[in-house]
Amino acid sequence: QVQLQESGPGLVKPSGTLSLTCAVSGGSISSSNWWSWVRQPPGKGLEWIGEIYHSGSTNYNPSLKSRVTISVDKSKNQFSLKLSSVTAADTAVYYCARDVRGYDSLRFDPWGQGTLVTVSS
Amino acid sequence: QSALTQPASVSGSPGQSITISCTGTSSDVGSYNLVSWYQQHPGKAPKLMIYEGSKRPSGVSNRFSGSKSGNTASLTISGLQAEDEADYYCCSYAGSSTDVVFGGGTKLTVL
Repeated sequence: QVQLQESGPGLVKPSGTLSLTCAVSGGSISSSNWWSWVRQPPGKGLEWIGEIYHSGSTNYNPSLKSRVTISVDKSKNQFSLKLSSVTAADTAVYYCARDVRGYDSLRFDPWGQGTLVTVSS
Repeated sequence: QSALTQPASVSGSPGQSITISCTGTSSDVGSYNLVSWYQQHPGKAPKLMIYEGSKRPSGVSNRFSGSKSGNTASLTISGLQAEDEADYYCCSYAGSSTDVVFGGGTKLTVL
C-alpha cells in the first residue's frame, strides 16, 4: 500500500524558507491522485496548506498562497513544500498526505508520520 | 479560528454512544457531500475514519458512522472502547476559492 515519508530540516530561522520533501512509496506519484501538505501547530488543529497533481497543477490555501510553493519530482516519486518568510507562527508538525479527489470525492489517506519544524533563531 | 466548528471535548463511558458535531455553512458542509472525519491519537498522524459524509474505509470499525443535516455533519461512535479516546477532526470541501477547511478538533475522553 502507499506510504508517505516527510523529510527536511527541523529548525528554520525566522524570515527564512522552510523546505520539506515527501517521498511516496508503494505507488506512483503519477497515479490519478493529488498530493497535499497539512500542518498542525503544537496543541492546535489541522490546517490544509495546498496540493499538487503530477502534471504540476497546484491549489493553495488562500491564507498561505503568497508564501507557498509545492512542486513534484516524478523521477524521484516525491513532492516538496517551500514556505517562505517564516515566523514563529509557522512552527508546526507538517504532514504530507495523498489527496483522493474527484467531482464527488475528497479525502486524505494515507498520511505521512509528520515532521516537526520549529522556527527559531 | 477554524472554518468548521466542533465541540472542544466530549466524553462517554465504555459501551455508550457519542456524537461529535461539525458545523459549517452553506458554502462548505451544506453545499457538498464531501465531509471526512479523522482520528488522531497523541503523537500520531491523523487516520481517515469516514469520507463522503458516511462511507467507511476498509478496516474501520462499523461502530463509526457519519451523517449530515443541513450545514452540520456528525460523527457517531457506538459501543465506545478505551482505544477510541483520541482527537477527532472534521474536514470539508469549501468551493474552488477556499478549497479545504478543517474543524478545530474534538477531544474524546472515554471515562
